[in-house]
Amino acid sequence: DVKVTQSSRYLVKRTGEKVFLECVQDMDHENMFWYRQDPGLGLRLIYFSYDVKMKEKGDIPEGYSVSREKKERFSLILESASTNQTSMYLCASSFGLAGYEQYFGPGTRLTVT
Amino acid sequence: GESVGLHLPTLSVQEGDNSIINCAYSNSASDYFIWYKQESGKGPQFIIDIRSNMDKRQGQRVTVLLNKTVKHLSLQIAATQPGDSAVYFCAENVPGGNNRLAFGKGNQVVVIP
Repeated sequence: DVKVTQSSRYLVKRTGEKVFLECVQDMDHENMFWYRQDPGLGLRLIYFSYDVKMKEKGDIPEGYSVSREKKERFSLILESASTNQTSMYLCASSFGLAGYEQYFGPGTRLTVT
Repeated sequence: GESVGLHLPTLSVQEGDNSIINCAYSNSASDYFIWYKQESGKGPQFIIDIRSNMDKRQGQRVTVLLNKTVKHLSLQIAATQPGDSAVYFCAENVPGGNNRLAFGKGNQVVVIP
């Protein structure tokens, strides 16, 4: 079974802190994605990566950055956390080329106070 | 924490009845569609997918129907069980989008025992 793991299930941070969310997948997938999920808004893509050291902005990249130094690991960084970044963060991965099916991690619920 | 199911269209169904969840997609060039199930506190989980060269696909207790003429997708769940209570998302591939998926906002299904 494909496994996507996220470093924390729950996280509480203060405004202005730098926050790292880590995601690891064990299926040698080329593509990795970071979404945030808010009630009534569905899943919104923040950033994605289709190869090591490659990244592309999604629909809502402002206030976030990412890092992909190894194929299995994709990190989401909040440079200076703000209260409007309180959300559920979901990581996903998929095969390259025609591998559209994305496998999701369990999510990290981040609260910024 | 606040449920992802808040503010979503809700389908209440009696246990044992069939459920039909509908989804309108936006891009007529999309050629791959997928349904996910998300239980409370978990990441989305793949249910079934379909390519645009098909109009129906069946899985275990689930059937996906695709009507490309009106850009409509539906998920049918046979003999709904309490474990089917969840939020259901449809997604379509983003043509030329590097394996991106565009997600619908979701439908909450509540199974009444």
